[in-house]
Amino acid sequence: QVTLRESGPALVKPTQTLTLTCTFSGFSLSTSGMCVSWIRQPPGKALEWLALIDWDDDKYYSTSLKTRLTISKDTSKNQVVLTMTNMDPVDTATYYCARGYSGYDYWGQGTLVTVSS
Amino acid sequence: AIWMTQSPSLLSASTGDRVTISCRMSQGISSYLAWYQQKPGKAPELLIYAASTLQSGVPSRFSGSGSGTDFTLTISCLQSEDFATYYCQQYYSFPRTFGQGTKVEIK
Repeated sequence: QVTLRESGPALVKPTQTLTLTCTFSGFSLSTSGMCVSWIRQPPGKALEWLALIDWDDDKYYSTSLKTRLTISKDTSKNQVVLTMTNMDPVDTATYYCARGYSGYDYWGQGTLVTVSS
Repeated sequence: AIWMTQSPSLLSASTGDRVTISCRMSQGISSYLAWYQQKPGKAPELLIYAASTLQSGVPSRFSGSGSGTDFTLTISCLQSEDFATYYCQQYYSFPRTFGQGTKVEIK
């Protein structure tokens, strides 16, 4: 049974760095072809893809956000971590992690992050 | 980046209707396209990948077609549980991109 769960702060202040953790089970990120991505959704708006890390530790980022994002994995803990620097109120969103390369077949429930002073 | 134009943004329909949603790419992506359904307060769910392959467990009233730059999601006979927002997503290249969404509402 595949599950993913996002964790991290619900509230961050402007200019702070956000660190989110995706803890998963039911698959291994050391298996060839496996990938985990981060995707966010501002309230009432569309999905926005942020980053992907694959089994070979290749990393890909949103063009507009790549200077602020870092994705990493800890295979032994079954975790993927996303950091986003210099947070702004426009970064208020629900952040999801999801598994997959050819379509995201499993998603976490999402975690709402609010950026406010 | 590959840009996607999804239309319409809002679709009003009745139970039993046949509905189609379009997704047009700024460049060809072969068949590297997925469709998702999202209900309020929930994570998206994968409906279709490879443009036309139904994800396991998805009802057969959902179908996808197209290749290159033009794609369509069709719901053949709308059910009450299908009222939701639908997104297309390309995985031909990085960065991945999503369409702006189509909300299917009750007429």
